[in-house]
Amino acid sequence: GAVVSQHPSRVICKSGTSVKIECRSLDFQATTMFWYRQFPKKSLMLMATSNEGSKATYEQGVEKDKFLINHASLTLSTLTVTSAHPEDSSFYICSAPPRQGDGYTFGSGTRLTVV
Amino acid sequence: QKEVEQDPGPLSVPEGAIVSLNCTYSNSAFQYFMWYRQYSRKGPELLMYTYSSGNKEDGRFTAQVDKSSKYISLFIRDSQPSDSATYLCAMRGAGTASKLTFGTGTRLQVTL
Repeated sequence: GAVVSQHPSRVICKSGTSVKIECRSLDFQATTMFWYRQFPKKSLMLMATSNEGSKATYEQGVEKDKFLINHASLTLSTLTVTSAHPEDSSFYICSAPPRQGDGYTFGSGTRLTVV
Repeated sequence: QKEVEQDPGPLSVPEGAIVSLNCTYSNSAFQYFMWYRQYSRKGPELLMYTYSSGNKEDGRFTAQVDKSSKYISLFIRDSQPSDSATYLCAMRGAGTASKLTFGTGTRLQVTL
């Protein structure tokens, strides 16, 4: 089946540094990638939608200068958390539709801890 | 009122029981319906994907959609301890690669 590979699975960084999270579609071309944030025991909160070759669309309240999204190819989308602070600590997950009209596939998630 | 309502649980059942998980929604534009299983600290795993009203079966899982009542269900037969997880319903409109709207998730615990 369709697979989205997400790396790293866990990362710990110091306040003020930047962290990049990668999501790759392994056996399909992902023209669209969704980026979510999930707090403990809560549902997924959509942060932004990236489209290959164009600017990402951010949800209301999400700082686009803090959460930089790049979708440079049909198989790779990245989320960079810039100048990270402890309140950015969370579980970040990406997702993509493998085929038009199909169920969406999720990455395995990245647990970010900012100390 | 939320667009998608889902009982957060937790729901505890004995091994072998039939589990019924439900979501209601208010947006009639939703056309595609999904159920995901999420283990702790993992990404959601797609279990079922449906479009039409009616039932769809896959192994021990049956997804049911009633668009007239705006109600979807997931049934798990012969539940196993490995089914213990959070189950999320999700739905979207007809547009290509349109974003998903999720329920809050139901935590299920299957006990021995």
